[in-house]
Amino acid sequence: DGGITQSPKYLFRKEGQNVTLSCEQNLNHDAMYWYRQDPGQGLRLIYYSQIVNDFQKGDIAEGYSVSREKKESFPLTVTSAQKNPTAFYLCASSIWGRRTDTQYFGPGTRLTVL
Amino acid sequence: DAKTTQPPSMDCAEGRAANLPCNHSTISGNEYVYWYRQIHSQGPQYIIHGLKNNETNEMASLIITEDRKSSTLILPHATLRDTAVYYCIVRVLNYGGATNKLIFGTGTLLAVQP
Repeated sequence: DGGITQSPKYLFRKEGQNVTLSCEQNLNHDAMYWYRQDPGQGLRLIYYSQIVNDFQKGDIAEGYSVSREKKESFPLTVTSAQKNPTAFYLCASSIWGRRTDTQYFGPGTRLTVL
Repeated sequence: DAKTTQPPSMDCAEGRAANLPCNHSTISGNEYVYWYRQIHSQGPQYIIHGLKNNETNEMASLIITEDRKSSTLILPHATLRDTAVYYCIVRVLNYGGATNKLIFGTGTLLAVQP
């Protein structure tokens, strides 16, 4: 089955700890994205990557870092510098460079800082 | 990207058609209308998109008015599993920038009743 997987589904972190969220896709998509969703709100873009070894900051990149060493993988690290990291994190991917680039989402990771 | 307006909530009886409206009166000629839905605690699911012609796929139909200022998503035979928040998004594809992000509003909570 083609799709996007995120792990873990639930993640608990103590304050001051870094944590890495996994995102893998086997859709052969060029572009990958990380969004954050807070209760009752829409999605906000954290980082995105168009090709391997390249990524760009989104609207709320502070306190986060990413890497894109492989086309299939786009892990997100939530660092201790992120002041309010408790949220639902969503990874998406799409073809890049077409007129319509439909983004497909993974199931999400719910991060809770204790 | 153009702003969209959707009713906050709607009810629909199981087996009946669900018609979800969206107003996008400031839409420009090169902007597409996208629909996603999000079932509680899951990632958003792509449903359908269109530019100016009506579109249909295995999930739904999209009816766009001739002036493109509004659209309606139709789920022909709603089931309990269609209960979700439905998002109408208007966006243009700009190459090379963060404008490829999806801007989700608050959407319409569709409750399908047995």
